[in-house]
Amino acid sequence: DVKVTQSSRYLVKRTGEKVFLECVQDMDHENMFWYRQDPGLGLRLIYFSYDVKMKEKGDIPEGYSVSREKKERFSLILESASTNQTSMYLCASRPGGAYGYTFGSGTRLTVV
Amino acid sequence: AQSVTQPDIHITVSEGASLELRCNYSYGATPYLFWYVQSPGQGLQLLLKYFSGDTLVQGIKGFEAEFKRSQSSFNLRKPSVHWSDAAEYFCAVGYNTDKLIFGTGTRLQVFP
Repeated sequence: DVKVTQSSRYLVKRTGEKVFLECVQDMDHENMFWYRQDPGLGLRLIYFSYDVKMKEKGDIPEGYSVSREKKERFSLILESASTNQTSMYLCASRPGGAYGYTFGSGTRLTVV
Repeated sequence: AQSVTQPDIHITVSEGASLELRCNYSYGATPYLFWYVQSPGQGLQLLLKYFSGDTLVQGIKGFEAEFKRSQSSFNLRKPSVHWSDAAEYFCAVGYNTDKLIFGTGTRLQVFP
Protein backbone atom coordinates (compact mmCIF):
# COMPACT_ATOMS: atom_id res chain seq x y z
CA ASP A 1 0.00 0.00 0.00
CA VAL A 2 1.30 3.44 -0.90
CA LYS A 3 2.39 5.58 1.96
CA VAL A 4 3.24 9.14 2.95
CA THR A 5 4.85 9.34 6.36
CA GLN A 6 5.15 12.45 8.46
CA SER A 7 7.75 11.99 11.15
CA SER A 8 5.83 13.58 14.02
CA ARG A 9 2.14 13.55 14.89
CA TYR A 10 2.46 16.24 17.55
CA LEU A 11 5.11 18.88 18.12
CA VAL A 12 5.42 21.66 20.65
CA LYS A 13 8.02 24.34 19.94
CA ARG A 14 8.96 27.68 21.40
CA THR A 15 8.67 31.01 19.63
CA GLY A 16 11.82 31.75 17.65
CA GLU A 17 12.92 28.12 17.29
CA LYS A 18 13.85 26.68 13.93
CA VAL A 19 11.44 23.82 13.19
CA PHE A 20 11.78 20.99 10.72
CA LEU A 21 8.79 18.96 9.56
CA GLU A 22 9.72 15.86 7.62
CA CYS A 23 7.73 13.98 5.01
CA VAL A 24 8.72 10.78 3.23
CA GLN A 25 6.87 8.93 0.48
CA ASP A 26 7.58 5.44 -0.80
CA MET A 27 5.74 5.67 -4.12
CA ASP A 28 8.46 7.27 -6.29
CA HIS A 29 6.16 10.26 -6.85
CA GLU A 30 7.55 13.31 -8.62
CA ASN A 31 5.31 15.87 -6.92
CA MET A 32 5.17 16.69 -3.24
CA PHE A 33 3.20 19.34 -1.37
CA TRP A 34 2.94 21.00 2.02
CA TYR A 35 -0.39 22.36 3.22
CA ARG A 36 -1.52 23.87 6.47
CA GLN A 37 -5.02 23.29 7.70
CA ASP A 38 -6.88 25.71 9.95
CA PRO A 39 -10.54 25.65 11.05
CA GLY A 40 -12.75 27.54 8.64
CA LEU A 41 -9.91 28.06 6.16
CA GLY A 42 -9.56 24.57 4.74
CA LEU A 43 -6.19 23.57 3.29
CA ARG A 44 -3.83 26.24 2.10
CA LEU A 45 -0.79 25.44 0.00
CA ILE A 46 2.55 26.52 1.45
CA TYR A 47 5.10 25.08 -0.98
CA PHE A 48 5.31 22.32 -3.53
CA SER A 49 7.99 20.55 -5.52
CA TYR A 50 7.91 18.96 -8.97
CA ASP A 51 11.29 17.31 -8.74
CA VAL A 52 14.41 16.97 -6.66
CA LYS A 53 15.91 20.35 -5.76
CA MET A 54 12.95 22.14 -7.33
CA LYS A 55 10.45 24.14 -5.32
CA GLU A 56 7.59 26.48 -5.99
CA LYS A 57 5.81 28.88 -3.67
CA GLY A 58 2.21 28.18 -2.90
CA ASP A 59 -0.36 30.60 -1.59
CA ILE A 60 1.11 31.26 1.86
CA PRO A 61 4.91 30.76 1.73
CA GLU A 62 5.85 33.59 4.11
CA GLY A 63 7.76 32.35 7.13
CA TYR A 64 8.45 28.95 5.58
CA SER A 65 11.05 27.33 3.39
CA VAL A 66 11.43 23.81 1.99
CA SER A 67 14.09 21.36 1.02
CA ARG A 68 13.99 18.44 -1.39
CA GLU A 69 17.39 16.83 -1.68
CA LYS A 70 16.03 13.35 -2.44
CA LYS A 71 12.95 12.36 -4.41
CA GLU A 72 11.28 10.63 -1.51
CA ARG A 73 11.76 13.36 1.11
CA PHE A 74 10.27 16.85 1.32
CA SER A 75 11.01 18.94 4.39
CA LEU A 76 9.17 22.02 5.59
CA ILE A 77 11.23 24.50 7.60
CA LEU A 78 9.94 27.21 9.87
CA GLU A 79 12.93 29.52 10.10
CA SER A 80 11.75 31.25 13.30
CA ALA A 81 8.55 29.78 14.64
CA SER A 82 5.77 32.13 15.65
CA THR A 83 2.50 31.52 17.46
CA ASN A 84 0.51 32.19 14.28
CA GLN A 85 2.15 29.13 12.76
CA THR A 86 0.34 26.90 15.23
CA SER A 87 -1.60 24.62 12.90
CA MET A 88 -2.06 21.19 11.39
CA TYR A 89 0.49 20.56 8.64
CA LEU A 90 -0.28 18.04 5.92
CA CYS A 91 2.14 16.60 3.42
CA ALA A 92 0.95 15.03 0.17
CA SER A 93 2.47 13.45 -2.90
CA ARG A 94 1.30 12.69 -6.41
CA PRO A 95 2.80 11.05 -9.48
CA GLY A 96 3.30 13.10 -12.62
CA GLY A 97 0.02 13.63 -14.45
CA ALA A 98 -3.49 14.31 -13.23
CA TYR A 99 -4.01 12.06 -10.28
CA GLY A 100 -5.26 12.64 -6.76
CA TYR A 101 -2.93 13.20 -3.89
CA THR A 102 -1.92 10.74 -1.21
CA PHE A 103 -1.78 12.46 2.16
CA GLY A 104 0.20 11.83 5.29
CA SER A 105 -1.51 11.72 8.68
CA GLY A 106 -0.50 15.26 9.52
CA THR A 107 1.65 17.00 12.12
CA ARG A 108 -0.10 19.14 14.70
CA LEU A 109 2.34 21.89 15.60
CA THR A 110 1.88 24.13 18.61
CA VAL A 111 4.15 27.14 19.01
CA VAL A 112 4.22 28.58 22.52
CA ALA B 1 -9.11 33.34 -9.75
CA GLN B 2 -9.84 29.67 -9.38
CA SER B 3 -11.86 28.84 -6.29
CA VAL B 4 -13.87 26.08 -4.67
CA THR B 5 -16.94 26.73 -2.54
CA GLN B 6 -18.45 24.38 -0.02
CA PRO B 7 -21.41 26.40 1.22
CA ASP B 8 -22.27 24.16 4.16
CA ILE B 9 -19.84 24.41 7.06
CA HIS B 10 -21.66 21.87 9.22
CA ILE B 11 -24.35 19.30 8.39
CA THR B 12 -26.17 17.03 10.80
CA VAL B 13 -28.11 13.96 9.64
CA SER B 14 -29.66 10.94 11.28
CA GLU B 15 -28.15 7.54 10.70
CA GLY B 16 -29.82 5.92 7.70
CA ALA B 17 -30.80 9.21 6.12
CA SER B 18 -29.56 10.30 2.72
CA LEU B 19 -26.76 12.83 2.37
CA GLU B 20 -25.74 15.44 -0.16
CA LEU B 21 -22.71 17.69 0.30
CA ARG B 22 -22.41 20.60 -2.07
CA CYS B 23 -19.37 21.76 -4.00
CA ASN B 24 -19.11 24.51 -6.60
CA TYR B 25 -16.02 25.66 -8.49
CA SER B 26 -15.25 28.69 -10.57
CA TYR B 27 -13.27 28.31 -13.76
CA GLY B 28 -14.02 28.29 -17.47
CA ALA B 29 -12.59 24.90 -18.33
CA THR B 30 -13.61 21.57 -16.87
CA PRO B 31 -11.28 20.78 -14.01
CA TYR B 32 -10.29 17.53 -12.42
CA LEU B 33 -12.55 17.07 -9.40
CA PHE B 34 -11.99 15.24 -6.14
CA TRP B 35 -13.68 14.52 -2.83
CA TYR B 36 -11.61 13.71 0.24
CA VAL B 37 -12.64 12.67 3.73
CA GLN B 38 -10.77 13.40 6.94
CA SER B 39 -11.48 11.54 10.15
CA PRO B 40 -10.51 13.30 13.40
CA GLY B 41 -6.74 13.54 13.82
CA GLN B 42 -6.07 11.91 10.47
CA GLY B 43 -4.87 12.92 7.04
CA LEU B 44 -7.15 13.11 4.02
CA GLN B 45 -8.35 10.02 2.21
CA LEU B 46 -9.50 10.11 -1.41
CA LEU B 47 -13.18 9.16 -1.78
CA LEU B 48 -13.56 9.60 -5.53
CA LYS B 49 -12.41 11.60 -8.52
CA TYR B 50 -13.68 12.80 -11.87
CA PHE B 51 -11.48 13.44 -14.86
CA SER B 52 -13.78 12.91 -17.86
CA GLY B 53 -16.47 10.61 -19.22
CA ASP B 54 -19.50 9.49 -17.23
CA THR B 55 -20.55 12.38 -15.03
CA LEU B 56 -21.70 10.12 -12.21
CA VAL B 57 -18.72 8.61 -10.43
CA GLN B 58 -18.66 5.96 -7.76
CA GLY B 59 -16.23 6.03 -4.88
CA ILE B 60 -15.32 4.13 -1.77
CA LYS B 61 -17.53 3.67 1.29
CA GLY B 62 -20.72 3.83 -0.83
CA PHE B 63 -20.28 7.47 -1.91
CA GLU B 64 -20.98 8.85 -5.34
CA ALA B 65 -20.71 12.29 -6.93
CA GLU B 66 -22.22 13.91 -9.98
CA PHE B 67 -20.48 16.46 -12.16
CA LYS B 68 -22.85 19.06 -13.59
CA ARG B 69 -21.08 21.33 -16.01
CA SER B 70 -23.99 23.77 -16.35
CA GLN B 71 -23.97 24.37 -12.59
CA SER B 72 -20.19 24.10 -12.06
CA SER B 73 -20.97 21.63 -9.33
CA PHE B 74 -19.66 18.32 -8.08
CA ASN B 75 -21.94 17.28 -5.23
CA LEU B 76 -21.23 14.26 -3.08
CA ARG B 77 -24.06 11.88 -2.19
CA LYS B 78 -24.73 8.81 -0.13
CA PRO B 79 -28.15 7.11 0.03
CA SER B 80 -27.88 5.92 3.63
CA VAL B 81 -25.43 7.42 6.10
CA HIS B 82 -23.67 5.34 8.75
CA TRP B 83 -22.39 6.66 12.08
CA SER B 84 -18.84 5.97 10.88
CA ASP B 85 -19.30 8.55 8.11
CA ALA B 86 -19.01 11.36 10.64
CA ALA B 87 -15.94 13.28 9.48
CA GLU B 88 -14.92 16.36 7.55
CA TYR B 89 -15.29 16.32 3.78
CA PHE B 90 -13.26 18.37 1.35
CA CYS B 91 -13.92 19.06 -2.29
CA ALA B 92 -10.89 19.87 -4.45
CA VAL B 93 -10.26 20.92 -8.05
CA GLY B 94 -7.18 20.73 -10.22
CA TYR B 95 -6.35 21.89 -13.72
CA ASN B 96 -4.06 19.98 -16.04
CA THR B 97 -1.28 18.79 -13.79
CA ASP B 98 -1.28 21.78 -11.51
CA LYS B 99 -1.78 21.83 -7.79
CA LEU B 100 -5.15 21.17 -6.17
CA ILE B 101 -7.34 23.88 -4.71
CA PHE B 102 -9.38 22.79 -1.72
CA GLY B 103 -12.68 24.01 -0.36
CA THR B 104 -13.02 24.97 3.28
CA GLY B 105 -14.65 21.68 4.18
CA THR B 106 -18.01 20.45 5.48
CA ARG B 107 -18.18 18.78 8.85
CA LEU B 108 -20.71 15.94 8.96
CA GLN B 109 -22.29 14.90 12.22
CA VAL B 110 -24.40 11.73 12.37
CA PHE B 111 -27.01 11.14 15.05
CA PRO B 112 -28.14 7.62 15.95
